[in-house]
Amino acid sequence: AQSVTQPDIHITVSEGASLELRCNYSYGATPYLFWYVQSPGQGLQLLLKYFSGDTLVQGIKGFEAEFKRSQSSFNLRKPSVHWSDAAEYFCAVGAPGGYQKVTFGIGTKLQVIP
Amino acid sequence: EAQVTQNPRYLITVTGKKLTVTCSQNMNHEYMSWYRQDPGLGLRQIYYSMNVEVTDKGDVPEGYKVSRKEKRNFPLILESPSPNQTSLYFCASSSTQNSPLHFGNGTRLTVT
Repeated sequence: AQSVTQPDIHITVSEGASLELRCNYSYGATPYLFWYVQSPGQGLQLLLKYFSGDTLVQGIKGFEAEFKRSQSSFNLRKPSVHWSDAAEYFCAVGAPGGYQKVTFGIGTKLQVIP
Repeated sequence: EAQVTQNPRYLITVTGKKLTVTCSQNMNHEYMSWYRQDPGLGLRQIYYSMNVEVTDKGDVPEGYKVSRKEKRNFPLILESPSPNQTSLYFCASSSTQNSPLHFGNGTRLTVT
């Protein structure tokens, strides 16, 4: 069974600063990897996904993530954070060939200060 | 507009009173699932469905039922709710088995 670790529960960054949210996964092969964002009172929205190929993936809202097999990581990055990026971010892993077995991390809540 | 619609958004009930949370999607997705979100635990899958009349348990199915009589609808049923089912619930759908999930806006349930 796969698992996901998001080691940072809360992160605070200044507006305009760079951001990196960490995600480590455990799975025997190359999994499907996702980042979702949840704004207050909303459902989760997909930011980006990795299935195969180029290990640096671009997503919406200026986010990107890099898959590093050697580190079992899929960290989310943004070069310059905007106040509207304040939200909770979830990393998720899916098992190729396995139905809908998507496991979510516990989330990282991002606070942006002016 | 493509969407997953859950109702109600907020629900307060008492222990033992049966309730149903509805979920409907207009994207003709085959796959639908229910999650609950609790602080410090992230999202955990309750049940999922691969198609009409095909459902299976997720990680935390105890105390819940589902049905999939139509492709677009996937209601979550709590036959006898208990306070430990107080949570934020999300319905999600996807076009294929590992496609990204489309989420509803959630149902906040409080059981007293």
